[in-house]
Amino acid sequence: AQSVAQPEDQVNVAEGNPLTVKCTYSVSGNPYLFWYVQYPNRGLQFLLKYITGDNLVKGSYGFEAEFNKSQTSFHLKKPSALVSDSALYFCAVRDHTGFQKLVFGTGTRLLVSP
Amino acid sequence: DTGVSQDPRHKITKRGQNVTFRCDPISEHNRLYWYRQTLGQGPEFLTYFQNEAQLEKSRLLSDRFSAERPKGSFSTLEIQRTEQGDSAMYLCASSFRDNQETQYFGPGTRLLVL
Repeated sequence: AQSVAQPEDQVNVAEGNPLTVKCTYSVSGNPYLFWYVQYPNRGLQFLLKYITGDNLVKGSYGFEAEFNKSQTSFHLKKPSALVSDSALYFCAVRDHTGFQKLVFGTGTRLLVSP
Repeated sequence: DTGVSQDPRHKITKRGQNVTFRCDPISEHNRLYWYRQTLGQGPEFLTYFQNEAQLEKSRLLSDRFSAERPKGSFSTLEIQRTEQGDSAMYLCASSFRDNQETQYFGPGTRLLVL
């Protein structure tokens, strides 16, 4: 069965500092990996995905993520955090079988202080 | 606005009543998904349509829940005899069938059962 772990409930970072939001996954076969962001009382906005190819994936709003197959991780990163990045971040995984569902982690709240 | 839309955005109902939610996907997307998100959790998959065919259902989708996509365009999710445990955010997503599909989410319908 597919699963995703986001080990940190909350990440605190000062504006201008780099940020990392951690994600590890478990899936049979090769994974499709996604990051979404959720602002209060809103749906999920797609940030980036890894399907195949380069392990470093660049996405929206200056975010990037690094796929590490040996560590089964897909950590989200940004070189310089903004206060407006404060939100709830979800990692999700899907496998290559016929099943289309995304399996999400429990989310990590990012708080960027001025 | 060409994104996924959901109606209503909020619904308050009394226990035992029936409710129906609507989702309009991005127009060229032939895949449609319903997820449920409770407080402090990531979204959980409920069901998936390809065109008008319902291809996958989660065990979370009890017999009180029914979803339809009659013409392969919009979808409805009905909950009969609502219970307080049904209180959650109901999210709809759509995607276009290709090898690198991304699911795009609507703003959600927040249901409160009193």
